[in-house]
Amino acid sequence: ETGVTQSPTHLIKTRGQQVTLRCSSQSGHNTVSWYQQALGQGPQFIFQYYREEENGRGNFPPRFSGLQFPNYSSELNVNALELDDSALYLCASSWGKDGTDTQYFGPGTRLTVL
Amino acid sequence: AQKITQTQPGMFVQEKEAVTLDCTYDTSDPSYGLFWYKQPSSGEMIFLIYQGSYDQQNATEGRYSLNFQKARKSANLVISASQLGDSAMYFCAMREGRLIQGAQKLVFGQGTRLTINP
Repeated sequence: ETGVTQSPTHLIKTRGQQVTLRCSSQSGHNTVSWYQQALGQGPQFIFQYYREEENGRGNFPPRFSGLQFPNYSSELNVNALELDDSALYLCASSWGKDGTDTQYFGPGTRLTVL
Repeated sequence: AQKITQTQPGMFVQEKEAVTLDCTYDTSDPSYGLFWYKQPSSGEMIFLIYQGSYDQQNATEGRYSLNFQKARKSANLVISASQLGDSAMYFCAMREGRLIQGAQKLVFGQGTRLTINP
């Protein structure tokens, strides 16, 4: 196991609602990256946090936002949920701002939007 | 443009046989890293092996080896002596050296579903 944990495991929401997903990084890691994996696809990069600041963002709208806390755990918030937001959300932790270290993934949160 | 291409949607292999999973990549950056991850049905992405663009030797980790052919831009994963527990989705991913807005994101392929038959 990687030591990266995510909660909750599964979540069901309705369109228009807001959701918060949580991630605890591996001990010693200060960088958290979030990915969205739609069914049958590879993961897509959402954003990365380093020492409580957003360190880069993929092609996702502003209703996807995040936080990183002093203990390097992180949250992913999605507002105004859409049906297409249904996916597996993966967080990955690594060490270093430029992310040159290997990214280790958590078990993911499966979000279903009805 | 597709940066990582995995052309095998599915592979079926007999237990104890070796299997090669294909991955080709596209980048103009001389500095990059290539990764393979395994994703069982539970969903967790498990890191298997890493190859840096400047590494002279092909990477190996236990039963996993990476056949890195830089001129062909390919980074195939070889699993020796396959086991039933190897059945899973396998993803090839690349991290380019250039910082994209300060972050080095991973770009993944579509994956290959490997099934090991007893």
